[in-house]
Amino acid sequence: EAQVTQNPRYLITVTGKKLTVTCSQNMNHEYMSWYRQDPGLGLRQIYYSMNVEVTDKGDVPEGYKVSRKEKRNFPLILESPSPNQTSLYFCASSPIYGREGEQPQHFGDGTRLSIL
Amino acid sequence: LAKTTQPISMDSYEGQEVNITCSHNNIATNDYITWYQQFPSQGPRFIIQGYKTKVTNEVASLFIPADRKSSTLSLPRVSLSDTAVYYCLVGDIVQYSGAGSYQLTFGKGTKLSVIP
Repeated sequence: EAQVTQNPRYLITVTGKKLTVTCSQNMNHEYMSWYRQDPGLGLRQIYYSMNVEVTDKGDVPEGYKVSRKEKRNFPLILESPSPNQTSLYFCASSPIYGREGEQPQHFGDGTRLSIL
Repeated sequence: LAKTTQPISMDSYEGQEVNITCSHNNIATNDYITWYQQFPSQGPRFIIQGYKTKVTNEVASLFIPADRKSSTLSLPRVSLSDTAVYYCLVGDIVQYSGAGSYQLTFGKGTKLSVIP
């Protein structure tokens, strides 16, 4: 089954304690991306990657890091989490040469982070 | 980056047709228009995508005028299960030209509430 898998689904942690949210896709997609979703603000892109070893900033990259060492994995790293990073996070993947009308981005089920 | 503007919320009775309009005044020539649906605590999922004129699939229609500065998602005969947030996205990954980066910006979405 084609899917994007995020772990953990829920995490409560404290300020300053480094954490990593993993994202893995089994569709051989080139493009992967992280979003955060906050009430009233919709989905905002944090980082994205066009392919292995190619990453770039989205709209809200501050406080986050990513890496793309393998095509299937795109972890999101919070080196020193702060309360303002409490949010719902989504990972997504997409082929970059898709066909018109086909499903573009596939999203994971989300990770709810609470930073105390 | 093409910015999108949508109504914050809409209400509709069951069985009615619902039209949600998205404005995207600075859409680029190569940009496609994609609509996603999101239920609470789930990742967005693809509804429909188009470039110009009208596109129809089994769940929705998408109307795009000649100037492409707006688009309208049409949901025929909505049911309670259509209650969700609907996002318009301009410039999704499919049809990527291969040059430059591909940062994506979602709007804030339209919360559709279907009333019995």
